Amino acid sequence: AQSVTQPDIHITVSEGASLELRCNYSYGATPYLFWYVQSPGQGLQLLLKYFSGDTLVQGIKGFEAEFKRSQSSFNLRKPSVHWSDAAEYFCAVGRTKAHNFNKFYFGSGTKLNVKP
Amino acid sequence: IAGITQAPTSQILAAGRRMTLRCTQDMRHNAMYWYRQDLGLGLRLIHYSNTAGTTGKGEVPDGYSVSRANTDDFPLTLASAVPSQTSVYFCASGEGADTGELFFGEGSRLTVL
Repeated sequence: AQSVTQPDIHITVSEGASLELRCNYSYGATPYLFWYVQSPGQGLQLLLKYFSGDTLVQGIKGFEAEFKRSQSSFNLRKPSVHWSDAAEYFCAVGRTKAHNFNKFYFGSGTKLNVKP
Repeated sequence: IAGITQAPTSQILAAGRRMTLRCTQDMRHNAMYWYRQDLGLGLRLIHYSNTAGTTGKGEVPDGYSVSRANTDDFPLTLASAVPSQTSVYFCASGEGADTGELFFGEGSRLTVL
């Protein structure tokens, strides 16, 4: 069965420090991978996605993620965190495009706190 | 640009009552989804619709029903609410096969007493 694991429930980093949020997935085929961000009281917004090709993908707000098939991972990174990055981050894996993504599986989320 | 509009934003409901959460999108997306978000569980898919006139069951469909009479609207109905349906509900829509991106509403917080 498909699943997404985000092992860190909460992470606190200092402003200006680097960030890495972990995501591991279990999926039988080549996955379509996503990272979404949710600010308090808001819906989710797409940060970046991986379908194929270059395994390092760039997203909005200075985020990037690297797909590592051998580790079944899709970790999110940012070299220098800003206070406005404090939010909850969700990793997701989607089914094939032919199925119109009606089978998205979300991780349980990682809440990021940023210290001044 | 409105995107996805959900209503109500918040509701307290007595157990056993019927409730419909409304969702409207103005992006002409074919695919629409209902998720519930619970602490520690992330988002779980309740129902989805790939196109107007069709619907399908997600991971946690029991106690919920949906309809998709047209492209823009995708209401979620709780026929007889129970306390375990206390949650935050998100409606989303998608452009479909080419991008895979979901666009989310701001959520409806439902409390069933």
